[in-house]
Amino acid sequence: ETGVTQSPTHLIKTRGQQVTLRCSSQSGHNTVSWYQQALGQGPQFIFQYYREEENGRGNFPPRFSGLQFPNYSSELNVNALELDDSALYLCASSTDGYYGYTFGSGTRLTVV
Amino acid sequence: AQRVTQPEKLLSVFKGAPVELKCNYSYSGSPELFWYVQYSRQRLQLLLRHISRESIKGFTADLNKGETSFHLKKPFAQEEDSAMYYCALSRPRGSARQLTFGSGTQLTVLP
Repeated sequence: ETGVTQSPTHLIKTRGQQVTLRCSSQSGHNTVSWYQQALGQGPQFIFQYYREEENGRGNFPPRFSGLQFPNYSSELNVNALELDDSALYLCASSTDGYYGYTFGSGTRLTVV
Repeated sequence: AQRVTQPEKLLSVFKGAPVELKCNYSYSGSPELFWYVQYSRQRLQLLLRHISRESIKGFTADLNKGETSFHLKKPFAQEEDSAMYYCALSRPRGSARQLTFGSGTQLTVLP
């Protein structure tokens, strides 16, 4: 059984650019969530996908968007990057969230 | 709005001493509560969930709805318990079940 894998592990982008982060869910999991974790803070919920449809969104602007594919892998896209977008981005998958989520190691995004 | 508060950013105890990590929440309803742990250079992982009433690695947590608390306890701390601990809340089953996390408590168990 594989866990949740995220790519890339580190990324440096310039303000105003666009970025795509990728996540491969744990086998058998049909729900994926994305979180942003700023330094010294707990993870903050961005959005969640269930069977390829967004079914929950946190307090993030529309320039944060996502996709979930039929194989339950997922992407997080961020347009018009801002300096405050610098953070660790975590992907988490679950069967339905009831029994807790399995987290990936994250992608460290730095915007300069 | 749902919120999770962990009042202590840092907590140090000696090996063998009892440890309690505090977690308070606000939520209008009956939430699901979790504790997640992140050991050094490892990913965030589920430690325990209140619905299971389980003890994992000697840790327990009781949901107190009157005090809206879900404190994590262990009677005898071990050095390997040193880690960052996050309390998290989720809506009940049947709705978008995103997690709301507290800001975390860094536990250090001293030899």
